[in-house]
Order: sequence, then C-alpha cells, then structure tokens
Amino acid sequence: SQQGEEDPQALSIQEGENATMNCSYKTSINNLQWYRQNSGRGLVHLILIRSNEREKHSGRLRVTLDTSKKSSSLLITASRAADTASYFCATERTGGFKTIFGAGTRLFVKA
Amino acid sequence: DADVTQTPRNRITKTGKRIMLECSQTKGHDRMYWYRQDPGLGLRLIYYSFDVKDINKGEISDGYSVSRQAQAKFSLSLESAIPNQTALYFCATKSTTGDRNGELFFGEGSRLTVL
Repeated sequence: SQQGEEDPQALSIQEGENATMNCSYKTSINNLQWYRQNSGRGLVHLILIRSNEREKHSGRLRVTLDTSKKSSSLLITASRAADTASYFCATERTGGFKTIFGAGTRLFVKA
Repeated sequence: DADVTQTPRNRITKTGKRIMLECSQTKGHDRMYWYRQDPGLGLRLIYYSFDVKDINKGEISDGYSVSRQAQAKFSLSLESAIPNQTALYFCATKSTTGDRNGELFFGEGSRLTVL
C-alpha cells in the first residue's frame, strides 16, 4: 500500500499564484522528500526534510513537516508555467531501507 | 552523461516473453532500487539492493526478479511478461552520506508494453 497520500490529486492555478500540496503518511519516518516529474520523465529531487525539522526552504519552495499529524505540505510561491508537472511526496521509513511514494499531485500552471 | 542510465528506454514485447531491463550508475552508491509507475498510482517499489549480496523484495515483487551484477549494475527481469506488467519502470540510487543522505537519483525510465 502507498505510504504517502497527496492532496489534491490535481491543481490548476494561474501563473504568479502560490500552489500548495499536502501529503499524509502512516508510519514513523527518517525523512520526507518531495520530487517533481515532468510528463513521462524521471523524477527529480526537490527538497528533503528530516523528522527533527519542522520547516525548510529552497528558492521558491517551502516545505513543512508535522510529525504529530504525520503530514507535510509543499508550497511553491509565485508559480510559473514551467512549474507544470507532477509532484510526489516520498517517505523514508525509520531504518532507512525503503523510500515509499504517494500517488502524486498534478499541477497545471496557466500562463 | 547521466548518472543513472536505463536501457532500453522503450520496449514492446509479447505475453510470455522474457524481458530484462538494465540499470547502471556512476554515482558510487551502494543502494539501488527498482520502481514501477502506473497512471494514478505513483511509484511502487519492486526490489531494492544494498550491495551485490543483499537483495530485498519490495511491495510488488511477484512476477519479477533482479540481479545485482556489480555495485554499479542492477537489472530487473520479467521471466514471463504479462499485459498487466505494462508500465513505466524506474531505477534509482540512494545517497547515504552528507547533506544528501536519503536522496534518490532516478534514471529516465524504461517504458514497457506487453501485448
């Protein structure tokens, strides 16, 4: 079964708006990561947040992690048409062996 | 050159055929993974390996086998392909050191169609 579940499944916004995606997971984790996938291509790592961290920034990306609620959010500020892609959260389970992915959020940014 | 290379990138085959998907990496990582992606289901873990002698089943290993020929090479085999194995397959390596500890590095994928 999937470890992470993203919400929403799909999101359509105008260029310049912010995009927020959420992820919930079920078990204890070492870290949570967000990846981006352009249609049919390989996944590209965006940002990793460890279980003892609550917030992390990278450029226009902001990730939060609430381990008590087993949830995370990814915020993309000032979105661009080039941000159109699928975004996946992935959790590395305690022990560090497996990284399990959610079903993803499809983001469409209209120019 | 790509750090994680998958071959073939596309393959069409028939039911019952044996198929091998190959993955090689220049990252120097010990940990390697095979995932399968189906529309709307995200990525599901098939097998993973920590070194040549350490192979582990993932969530959906039935119908698949793997071989870790060297630190840099990890291949996935379908002994007798069936249509519901039609999917996009990804190989990945994992960093276990420094700031990038836990990060996965993906190949471009192998699209397999089983008729």
